[in-house]
Amino acid sequence: GEQVEQLPSSLIVQEGASVLINCSYTDSASVYFPWYKQEPGKRLQFIIDIRSNMERKQNQRLTLLFDKKTKHLSLHITATQPGDSAIYFCSASTNTDKVVFGTGTRLQVSP
Amino acid sequence: DMKVTQMPRYLIKRMGENVLLECGQDMSHETMYWYRQDPGLGLQLIYISYDVDSNSEGDIPKGYRVSRKKREHFSLILDSAKTNQTSVYFCASRRRGAETLYFGSGTRLTVL
Repeated sequence: GEQVEQLPSSLIVQEGASVLINCSYTDSASVYFPWYKQEPGKRLQFIIDIRSNMERKQNQRLTLLFDKKTKHLSLHITATQPGDSAIYFCSASTNTDKVVFGTGTRLQVSP
Repeated sequence: DMKVTQMPRYLIKRMGENVLLECGQDMSHETMYWYRQDPGLGLQLIYISYDVDSNSEGDIPKGYRVSRKKREHFSLILDSAKTNQTSVYFCASRRRGAETLYFGSGTRLTVL
């Protein structure tokens, strides 16, 4: 079945820095890749997504890049703020309802 | 207000006891999910429910069963809980054809 891997597992940066979170998947049938953010003690919330027919998507300070050939995604967060501190999850789904999550990247932004 | 509600938030049980985790949603979403979250492992899919009485195993169904008798409610049952089932359990729902999952706040289960 699908496997989703994320790197790094954790990041510590100063406020204002940019970060890059990498994600890779194995199933070439996966077509949709949403990302979720989990603030400490809170539920996961959707932040950005991309479909396999796109290469790039931007939402304010978030940019998501997708490479179908290498089965790789990367989430770029610019001008980080303490409120960006959270665990970020990549996920992948085919045209079925099954959604497979990565192992998560814990981001800590220091003021 | 779209919401997925999980009860209870915290639960402590002894090994061998039965556990019932409940999840409700007020959006009439057809599809519901149970995941568990463990450090370093991310979220692992336990079960998917496509609608009432239409459930399918996920990646780690062993030791769990589910029940969905109403579209709004999806229960996760642990018959004779084990210590390795200590985890945080998340329920999620999604409208058929849509893409975003809506998550509950989680239930932290400790099995002693």
